Amino acid sequence: TQLLEQSPQFLSIQEGENLTVYCNSSSVFSSLQWYRQEPGEGPVLLVTVVTGGEVKKLKRLTFQFGDARKDSSLHITAAQPGDTGLYLCAGKNGANSKLTFGKGITLSVRP
Amino acid sequence: SAVISQKPSRDICQRGTSLTIQCQVDSQVTMMFWYRQQPGQSLTLIATANQGSEATYESGFVIDKFPISRPNLTFSTLTVSNMSPEDSSIYLCSAIQGAVYGYTFGSGTRLTVV
Repeated sequence: TQLLEQSPQFLSIQEGENLTVYCNSSSVFSSLQWYRQEPGEGPVLLVTVVTGGEVKKLKRLTFQFGDARKDSSLHITAAQPGDTGLYLCAGKNGANSKLTFGKGITLSVRP
Repeated sequence: SAVISQKPSRDICQRGTSLTIQCQVDSQVTMMFWYRQQPGQSLTLIATANQGSEATYESGFVIDKFPISRPNLTFSTLTVSNMSPEDSSIYLCSAIQGAVYGYTFGSGTRLTVV
């Protein structure tokens, strides 16, 4: 079973601060996704990374896939209250394999 | 990407009854899935809904408890049968299209069994 460990589990910060959260595994993934979920809604895909060492930017969010494709990080610059939510990482190994989700990181950004 | 409509959005049900959740996608999708999620927690895959054949269930989930239908490429239902309070959870429908790596999710059904 491929497991994804996310850390920290909970994070509460002030608006304007920077933060980095992590998604780690002992297994190799062919691709890894990050989702954000708000209360009462389903997860929404933020990014997919597929190449070891890959860095993708989405406005103030920077995603990195580890060189060995076992881990990933999400860095948020100048966090805003709209960034509040549950951040889930999920990995796949192969085009038709199942998606394995981490337990998620609950982020709260205080105005 | 596809847009998924899921209903009902929430329900409160008596133990021993059954609830059927519907998932409608606005375009044909390759694969559809059903997940369960405790509030603020991660997603657990219940089964893959296969078009025109029996669903593929994950360990710990059985067809008698969670019968699934997928009559075509845009629609699926999940029934939670003979419900108990332990079935209280959020149930999410998901789909992928072709070679797209990311999944699209419905808004979920928040089920409370009393």
